Amino acid sequence: DAKTTQPNSMESNEEEPVHLPCNHSTISGTDYIHWYRQLPSQGPEYVIHGLTSNVNNRMASLAIAEDRKSSTLILHRATLRDAAVYYCILRSFGNEKLTFGTGTRLTIIP
Amino acid sequence: KAGVTQTPRYLIKTRGQQVTLSCSPISGHRSVSWYQQTPGQGLQFLFEYFSETQRNKGNFPGRFSGRQFSNSRSEMNVSTLELGDSALYLCASSWSGGGTDTQYFGPGTRLTVL
Repeated sequence: DAKTTQPNSMESNEEEPVHLPCNHSTISGTDYIHWYRQLPSQGPEYVIHGLTSNVNNRMASLAIAEDRKSSTLILHRATLRDAAVYYCILRSFGNEKLTFGTGTRLTIIP
Repeated sequence: KAGVTQTPRYLIKTRGQQVTLSCSPISGHRSVSWYQQTPGQGLQFLFEYFSETQRNKGNFPGRFSGRQFSNSRSEMNVSTLELGDSALYLCASSWSGGGTDTQYFGPGTRLTVL
């Protein structure tokens, strides 16, 4: 499985935008970039995914570099509820398996 | 729509015993995956079932097994428990198991082996 690299931890002030980076230099053409997050004492939850183009949904935006070797998850206005571990995952089409890395622990400062 | 449910939520067993965990996927979902989460190893994929067949398997010993029933409910079994099996066991379901299918996770079963 292609690997991803994320910072271990990040902090952000409440109500400010958050940019969570992810490097995936060995990404293949069939790999989708998925983001999941895990809130304390809960199972992971889906945030967003994309292939080549930038993506937006009600939770976040995903900006994908032109060469696809990196991506950034953007939370437009962080709330205390966004404090979680965020996982960037590469998933090839047709493969159900999610390979989780260590993720980024996001702390929101009130 | 009800989410993924897992039972029991907490379990305490002793070394050498066996345990069975249950997962009920979201209605209509046919793929069920199992993951183990520990502080040391993080989240690791155990196996995936689709239409009662194991379709994908992670790197775990044969003591870890699973099955899926015709209603898509799934069970995982761990035999001859070891202390290192203490973990949060998570189940996730998805519609068909495609590369873009969202996986929906349950709250997990926390297993403690004494």
